[in-house]
Amino acid sequence: DTEVTQTPKHLVMGMTNKKSLKCEQHMGHRAMYWYKQKAKKPPELMFVYSYEKLSINESVPSRFSPECPNSSLLNLHLHALQPEDSALYLCASSQRGRLAQNTEAFFGQGTRLTVV
Amino acid sequence: QQQVKQSPQSLIVQKGGISIINCAYENTAFDYFPWYQQFPGKGPALLIAIRPDVSEKKEGRFTISFNKSAKQFSLHIMDSQPGDSATYFCAASESSNTGKLIFGQGTTLQVKP
Repeated sequence: DTEVTQTPKHLVMGMTNKKSLKCEQHMGHRAMYWYKQKAKKPPELMFVYSYEKLSINESVPSRFSPECPNSSLLNLHLHALQPEDSALYLCASSQRGRLAQNTEAFFGQGTRLTVV
Repeated sequence: QQQVKQSPQSLIVQKGGISIINCAYENTAFDYFPWYQQFPGKGPALLIAIRPDVSEKKEGRFTISFNKSAKQFSLHIMDSQPGDSATYFCAASESSNTGKLIFGQGTTLQVKP
């Protein structure tokens, strides 16, 4: 199983809503990532969890709150988002936090988020 | 210093032709260089990756050429097919920096039948 599964695939939310994005992998990977991707742009790193601990926060606004309940799951809690936060949110995982020894990052299919 | 510059922004190739995408970097601490393929509405999928101790890596129709002294690497797609039409991203990472991939700006490839 080389899959990273993200739910939901699509999400429309109002600016006052609270919602969560979920990500799951069963490859035994100990590093998990959230990326944000706008149309026709490369993915931008938001957060990195290594061994269930937050190791990188790329100065992301507090309206995005990550959570790593265990080594297989990663959540992104959303509240009070703005229309400019509409994007494809990608989860990824890799064998360990450091991309050494050809350890590759596997991406999920993403959640297409629209903030209205 | 952290940037990866990718060119061209878009590329149109005839079926059976060779597609070539180039990337350049500045940070000499980068030691892992993957290429990702992304179809519309899908997440990026790893295509092929190289480390700087080799100058070339080939997997099927896909080849990475790596020039450490010039700090450049490129993706060659031989016998390009319409199914290869996608956006391609080069990326770079350093082992000492936990999992952070620096992506190029992407190249949209269209292979005409």
